[in-house]
Amino acid sequence: RKEVEQDPGPFNVPEGATVAFNCTYSNSASQSFFWYRQDCRKEPKLLMSVYSSGNEDGRFTAQLNRASQYISLLIRDSKLSDSATYLCVVTFSAGTDSWGKLQFGAGTQVVVTP
Amino acid sequence: ETGVTQSPTHLIKTRGQQVTLRCSSQSGHNTVSWYQQALGQGPQFIFQYYREEENGRGNFPPRFSGLQFPNYSSELNVNALELDDSALYLCASSLLGGGETQYFGPGTRLLVL
Repeated sequence: RKEVEQDPGPFNVPEGATVAFNCTYSNSASQSFFWYRQDCRKEPKLLMSVYSSGNEDGRFTAQLNRASQYISLLIRDSKLSDSATYLCVVTFSAGTDSWGKLQFGAGTQVVVTP
Repeated sequence: ETGVTQSPTHLIKTRGQQVTLRCSSQSGHNTVSWYQQALGQGPQFIFQYYREEENGRGNFPPRFSGLQFPNYSSELNVNALELDDSALYLCASSLLGGGETQYFGPGTRLLVL
């Protein structure tokens, strides 16, 4: 079982619609969580951190459920420019073997159509 | 942009050859992490350098090695290249390491024939 799992998609979304997708993680020692965005053949770029209380950044809302070990990303009012692969990222606390590394999921592809 | 640069942008090698990839970290950052991203996959952690010392390693064989220099730039060396080493190699810089936001360079696309 992969440590960070994502639905690969693609999620085909009409412009202006809402799309949401999840990411599950298996390591309960996971400390911090992020969503990165990656455009085709480009480097990943930080989209937002994910906090236990949930957080919003414009049209993007991220949620964390530690009990069920998943995080989610919701995109409202989708724009054509939101078409990308969204990578779920987990990090670990100091003192663990995995401290310092980002653990990525394989990504969820979102395609926003006119 | 992140201020993280990588060179070269593209590279073609043949099996058995050796390759060196370079990364310049963002000003003020003292930690560089390297990742390998195969087609259709998320980036996989190779190793991290903090103040010129290796600070964690992923599940990669010893033929993947690295260096960090006093100016915090870094190199990734891969010996005895295999076809499966074909991937996008990303470096990411951060401050102090360990969970802080990491900023990625544009990557080096390596093709092994």
